Amino acid sequence: DAGITQSPRYKITETGRQVTLMCHQTWSHSYMFWYRQDLGHGLRLIYYSAAADITDKGEVPDGYVVSRSKTENFPLTLESATRSQTSVYFCASSEGLAVPMDTQYFGPGTRLTVL
Amino acid sequence: AQSVAQPEDQVNVAEGNPLTVKCTYSVSGNPYLFWYVQYPNRGLQFLLKYITGDNLVKGSYGFEAEFNKSQTSFHLKKPSALVSDSALYFCAVRDGDYYGGATNKLIFGTGTLLAVQP
Repeated sequence: DAGITQSPRYKITETGRQVTLMCHQTWSHSYMFWYRQDLGHGLRLIYYSAAADITDKGEVPDGYVVSRSKTENFPLTLESATRSQTSVYFCASSEGLAVPMDTQYFGPGTRLTVL
Repeated sequence: AQSVAQPEDQVNVAEGNPLTVKCTYSVSGNPYLFWYVQYPNRGLQFLLKYITGDNLVKGSYGFEAEFNKSQTSFHLKKPSALVSDSALYFCAVRDGDYYGGATNKLIFGTGTLLAVQP
């Protein structure tokens, strides 16, 4: 039972480079989310997706791009990485069947460092 | 706009003592509240949630949370702390939409680090 996985777990890149973080879930959940975790800010939503080919912005979307061609995958791309995007990134998914009851389940995270 | 506040950055408690991690909320409409725990270098794990009904919600690992509407609080509690409970705890509230309904998005607090001393 793999659940929700993220790759890579650790990534170091340089300013200006494009980076893609991968997220894969085996539950066939409708909803998927990308968060970043920074000290003093908790978790902030970057993008989310209600289903394949349906995505929407969260609180901090600038500098990020997402796609969802398949239900199980939700990659996050930093088109031109900046130092301010150094963070820990978490992917989450939820069934999306009954909104109040819906529980999000999180992947293990990707620690990204932009030099 | 919906929000949650965790007023303590860190809580220290001795093993065997009761613990409380505080959370207050501000919502328009019904509050749907969650607690998650994050162990070092791990993702967030779901502990419990309040949707409706009993004000005392029981969750995983012996944790429970008390919903108090008059004080707009949802404090996490455990009768007897373990060293293994040491972790970062997040309170979250379901975000609302333009019409006052609930969405699938969550808004998280800034987290409280729980340190349990042996």
